[in-house]
Amino acid sequence: GQNIDQPTEMTATEGAIVQINCTYQTSGFNGLFWYQQHAGEAPTFLSYNVLDGLEEKGRFSSFLSRSKGYSYLLLKELQMKDSASYLCAVRAVTGGSYIPTFGRGTSLIVHP
Amino acid sequence: DGGITQSPKYLFRKEGQNVTLSCEQNLNHDAMYWYRQDPGQGLRLIYYSQIVNDFQKGDIAEGYSVSREKKESFPLTVTSAQKNPTAFYLCASSKEAGGRSREQFFGPGTRLTVL
Repeated sequence: GQNIDQPTEMTATEGAIVQINCTYQTSGFNGLFWYQQHAGEAPTFLSYNVLDGLEEKGRFSSFLSRSKGYSYLLLKELQMKDSASYLCAVRAVTGGSYIPTFGRGTSLIVHP
Repeated sequence: DGGITQSPKYLFRKEGQNVTLSCEQNLNHDAMYWYRQDPGQGLRLIYYSQIVNDFQKGDIAEGYSVSREKKESFPLTVTSAQKNPTAFYLCASSKEAGGRSREQFFGPGTRLTVL
């Protein structure tokens, strides 16, 4: 089985930087995804890491350390619209296939 | 416009009734998935299918059934055996490469309420 841990809730100020951590324990690790989900809507893909290091995409960056079982999503220049839930998903072998398992998500509240 | 659709958006059902949730995609993706999301919980995998006419149980398959007769369609039936069916149901699809799913594209979801 897999164990994925994220903080339940975080708050931050508009214009600031926030880091959302995700730790995991799994065998057969094969990639980590971050998704954004606004309330009542579908999750949308943000980033993917399979090798150690930082992946940057505009205001969003994601980091992975496979040896530590650790990833973070970094959001810069926060905007009010960034208030959402952020889901960490770890891909690992399941019954011979590589299927993602989702964490519980981190609810980010951005205030003025 | 390529995408993944789910219908209906809201669904009400009486206890003891079976109900089928629709999921269609025109992205030419091989893999399709059904997740359940409860308040304060992450997405939990119900069933997935990597190819037509084949599907596998996820972590919480009891009380649910699926079919995959066409590549574009992956309907989910919530049966009366599901003890607590009220939830938000999300369908997703992804490209596959050697059994490894790429990023998933999600439908808008169906909110099922059992009265």
